[in-house]
Amino acid sequence: KAGVTQTPRYLIKTRGQQVTLSCSPISGHRSVSWYQQTPGQGLQFLFEYFSETQRNKGNFPGRFSGRQFSNSRSEMNVSTLELGDSALYLCASSLGGAWGDTQYFGPGTRLTVL
Amino acid sequence: KQEVTQIPAALSVPEGENLVLNCSFTDSAIYNLQWFRQDPGKGLTSLLLIQSSQREQTSGRLNASLDKSSGRSTLYIAASQPGDSATYLCAVRAGGTSYGKLTFGQGTILTVHP
Repeated sequence: KAGVTQTPRYLIKTRGQQVTLSCSPISGHRSVSWYQQTPGQGLQFLFEYFSETQRNKGNFPGRFSGRQFSNSRSEMNVSTLELGDSALYLCASSLGGAWGDTQYFGPGTRLTVL
Repeated sequence: KQEVTQIPAALSVPEGENLVLNCSFTDSAIYNLQWFRQDPGKGLTSLLLIQSSQREQTSGRLNASLDKSSGRSTLYIAASQPGDSATYLCAVRAGGTSYGKLTFGQGTILTVHP
């Protein structure tokens, strides 16, 4: 069974631009969560989608948004990029039917904002 | 607000040693606790998931325990090997009014030298 895939793996953007990251969950998984990882703040929860609906949201500004499609694939968008948005963005998928199931992470997208 | 702390921040041991990594959390209203490992520049690999009703989980040389009432979990690694070198992260899946959010500790960087 294929794991969680994320595209692109690396991205370089300049301040003020916007970016879209993509995540394909494990087949059969309906929940997709997004996390930002930086050396200073560690791993921080962005949001979680389940059956095309945002189920939970972390404490990030409105520049960070996401969506989920009917096939459970998810995209995350960051508008008006700032230098501080440079990070590893990780997505995780799970069955999502119960809060107790395991989350499986993708390899991440490394975003660099210049 | 849930806070997760991992001690020690870094650990260096010779091959063959048994070791314990510690994780504490401030809000005991959790659904589960998950231990991950992260290799440099890569995503997270799930090691063990302990539901809030469980006391421990075992997988091979790994054993994780959970004491929800005291807000503590430990990850025990038996007979450590150089391949165990990685960053180990614990994460709690919230319950109560913040259900569904995964909160991570800052991690323990483990180095096992031959």
